[in-house]
Amino acid sequence: AQTVTQSQPEMSVQEAETVTLSCTYDTSENNYYLFWYKQPPSRQMILVIRQEAYKQQNATENRFSVNFQKAAKSFSLKISDSQLGDTAMYFCAFMKHLGYGNKLVFGAGTILRVKS
Amino acid sequence: NAGVTQTPKFQVLKTGQSMTLQCAQDMNHEYMSWYRQDPGMGLRLIHYSVGAGITDQGEVPNGYNVSRSTTEDFPLRLLSAAPSQTSVYFCASSYNGREETQYFGPGTRLLVL
Repeated sequence: AQTVTQSQPEMSVQEAETVTLSCTYDTSENNYYLFWYKQPPSRQMILVIRQEAYKQQNATENRFSVNFQKAAKSFSLKISDSQLGDTAMYFCAFMKHLGYGNKLVFGAGTILRVKS
Repeated sequence: NAGVTQTPKFQVLKTGQSMTLQCAQDMNHEYMSWYRQDPGMGLRLIHYSVGAGITDQGEVPNGYNVSRSTTEDFPLRLLSAAPSQTSVYFCASSYNGREETQYFGPGTRLLVL
């Protein structure tokens, strides 16, 4: 069974500093997709970054980057130059293929608080 | 584009009542899905659809019905609400459901008393 584990329930970081959120997953598939979603207090689920497993290069989106270690099944998110607006719940998710579609398997989330 | 829209934003039901959560998207996405989010957990898939007329069950389908008569709309029906269905419900869509990123609606918060 596919599972996603986020071992840090809560984290805090000072504004302008760097923070890394951890995620590990378990799958027997070889080709898959991994995502980080951000959920601010508004509850909107916002895509932060996406990684295709067949790509060795780590994905980056402005201040957000990932460290994807396929053999270790690890997918951590690094946020550089943290901003107050980064305060949110962050979910790591694995895309599992179903018969005709797919589903996202989510971790339990990490609450990130950025302090001024 | 409005993206993925959901109505209502918040609803209170009594046990045994029925209701329909609405979801619509204007991006011509084939794939749509419903998730629920409970405290301390990530989202879990309830039902999904890969196109008009085609639906299938997800991880937690009991107590919910869906249908997909148009590409744009994917309503979720609670036939007889139970307190265990108190949750936040998210609708999501993507272009084809195979590798595409899913985009989420703003969510509906449901309280069943």
